[in-house]
Amino acid sequence: DIQMTQSPSTLSASVGDTVTITCRASQSIDIWLAWYQHKPGKAPALLIYKAFSLAGGVPSRFSAGGSGTEFTLTISSLQPEDFATFYCQQYSSYPRTFGQGTRVEIK
Amino acid sequence: EVQLLESGGGLVKPGGSLRLSCAASGFTFGRYGMNWVRQAPGKGLEWVASITSGGHYVFYAASVKGRFTISRDNAKNSLSLQMDDLRADDTALYSCARDIEGMPYDYWGQGILVTVSS
Repeated sequence: DIQMTQSPSTLSASVGDTVTITCRASQSIDIWLAWYQHKPGKAPALLIYKAFSLAGGVPSRFSAGGSGTEFTLTISSLQPEDFATFYCQQYSSYPRTFGQGTRVEIK
Repeated sequence: EVQLLESGGGLVKPGGSLRLSCAASGFTFGRYGMNWVRQAPGKGLEWVASITSGGHYVFYAASVKGRFTISRDNAKNSLSLQMDDLRADDTALYSCARDIEGMPYDYWGQGILVTVSS
């Protein structure tokens, strides 16, 4: 199984900050990586697919990159609505696996 | 508008069974793969099972293989998850989500709570 490891687990930041979350795969997944934003009481929302492609309706302050085993999600100029938990997920092979999540909280 | 609505959750005793359903609308259901993902209290997202668009192929997490069965009825735009021999660690919010070739889960349901407790 492919293990997905996110860092950090928690990130404290202020509105306007730029933050970066890292996701590492235990083996190469090419670009078959997604990022989701999850807020309490709501369904997860797809942000990024194929490692760097922005999903429809996602603000351009979200960007992502990487391939193989190392991936990043960057949020430029954090907005109040961005505070949430973020998950990476590989969809290269089964079983599908998620990272453990990165909680972005207000400093 | 794409909608996925789960139902069938509730409280069940260890060893018991429950059948979850996911009613889909707003898209051509038979063109999409479907999935179940769960989130235990205080934990992260965990993939549970997937079924291809035509229902020919199914995949399960090791933690549920042999106990859970995913199925779909394309004529009724419906996805199901039969859960047998439930354990306390199956307690979670279960969500259905759709995918299509080369894409991850672009729409999710709100989820339904399953509690396994004596």
